[in-house]
Amino acid sequence: GAVVSQHPSWVICKSGTSVKIECRSLDFQATTMFWYRQFPKQSLMLMATSNEGSKATYEQGVEKDKFLINHASLTLSTLTVTSAHPEDSSFYICSADIEETQYFGPGTRLLVL
Amino acid sequence: QKEVEQDPGPLSVPEGAIVSLNCTYSNSAFQYFMWYRQYSRKGPELLMYTYSSGNKEDGRFTAQVDKSSKYISLFIRDSQPSDSATYLCAMSASGTYKYIFGTGTRLKVLA
Repeated sequence: GAVVSQHPSWVICKSGTSVKIECRSLDFQATTMFWYRQFPKQSLMLMATSNEGSKATYEQGVEKDKFLINHASLTLSTLTVTSAHPEDSSFYICSADIEETQYFGPGTRLLVL
Repeated sequence: QKEVEQDPGPLSVPEGAIVSLNCTYSNSAFQYFMWYRQYSRKGPELLMYTYSSGNKEDGRFTAQVDKSSKYISLFIRDSQPSDSATYLCAMSASGTYKYIFGTGTRLKVLA
């Protein structure tokens, strides 16, 4: 099946620093990727839709200047959490759309101290 | 009212039992229905994908969609301890990439 990877799998950073998370589709091209956030024992919350070659579409309430998304190629989308704060600590998961089905990456656990 | 409702559980069953997981929804425009399995600290894994109403079977898993009742189900036969995970339903309408997820049901299969 389709494979989506994320890097890093976990990251610890100091408050105020920026963190970049990569999402790659390994054996297919993905025009559209998605970024989700998940809190413990809760479902996935869509943050934004990332489209190759164009600006991302952010969900209501998600700060686009804080969560920068770049989809520069058909196999790579990046999420940068700028000036991270402890409340940004969460599990971030990306997915890639293949024929209207989303395949998820393994997730990145972010801890901001 | 949420667009998608799912009992969060936890649901505990003995090994070998038949498990029934369900979601209800309110948006009649939903045409695509998915079930994902998520192990702790991992990304969701696609289990079943169904378009419109009907049944779909894959090994021990059967997905059912009843659009008239706005109700979908996932059945797991001969459940195993390795099936212990959170099961998420997701749905989308035609012409949109956006999925709406249920909150997930935590399943525990006891050996």
